[in-house]
Amino acid sequence: AQKITQTQPGMFVQEKEAVTLDCTYDTSDPSYGLFWYKQPSSGEMIFLIYQGSYDQQNATEGRYSLNFQKARKSANLVISASQLGDSAMYFCAMRELYSGGSNYKLTFGKGTLLTVNP
Amino acid sequence: DAGVIQSPRHEVTEMGQEVTLRCKPISGHDYLFWYRQTMMRGLELLIYFNNNVPIDDSGMPEDRFSAKMPNASFSTLKIQPSEPRDSAVYFCASSLGLTDTQYFGPGTRLTVL
Repeated sequence: AQKITQTQPGMFVQEKEAVTLDCTYDTSDPSYGLFWYKQPSSGEMIFLIYQGSYDQQNATEGRYSLNFQKARKSANLVISASQLGDSAMYFCAMRELYSGGSNYKLTFGKGTLLTVNP
Repeated sequence: DAGVIQSPRHEVTEMGQEVTLRCKPISGHDYLFWYRQTMMRGLELLIYFNNNVPIDDSGMPEDRFSAKMPNASFSTLKIQPSEPRDSAVYFCASSLGLTDTQYFGPGTRLTVL
């Protein structure tokens, strides 16, 4: 079963505007971590932001923030003041932390291709 | 500080040839992961190491694939013999602990003709 769902294959945004990239997840484990990575056309995977399931506040890193809604199982990435260099593929990922278990695999969504228009 | 280093960045080879991909993790990171990215299957974990010991290789597709980590600063992923369906981008990532953020290398784009 798919554990990470990114419903937007592609998104467009005007430079300097904010954009929200959607991510929903599925887990029965109460302890988990959520990550966002950026993959520009050059191919590298760049870590952006992390949210733990027990974190009380939404994570923020510069222009990136995570809109974490635990009850809805969503962890949307918000990019404020978009820049041309933000054009890239964005991946949401989750890692479950089974109590006493050993499966810590990072599961990725299929990604959202963001294009920032000048 | 240097991030995860991978070499080569691009590899083109012919079917049947042996391919070796290399990775140097971030210094001090105890965990190293090998991933494969394809359009069809997305990002898949192949294997990961803890303190140079392979822990979970259930993602390794076939016996043609093997991975080693002879020391804390070097790992290899070998494909022998290579096949066209192995064409993909192979990433190496490392983390301090198993539950910590994984930092990825730039990847190796492999093309098997």
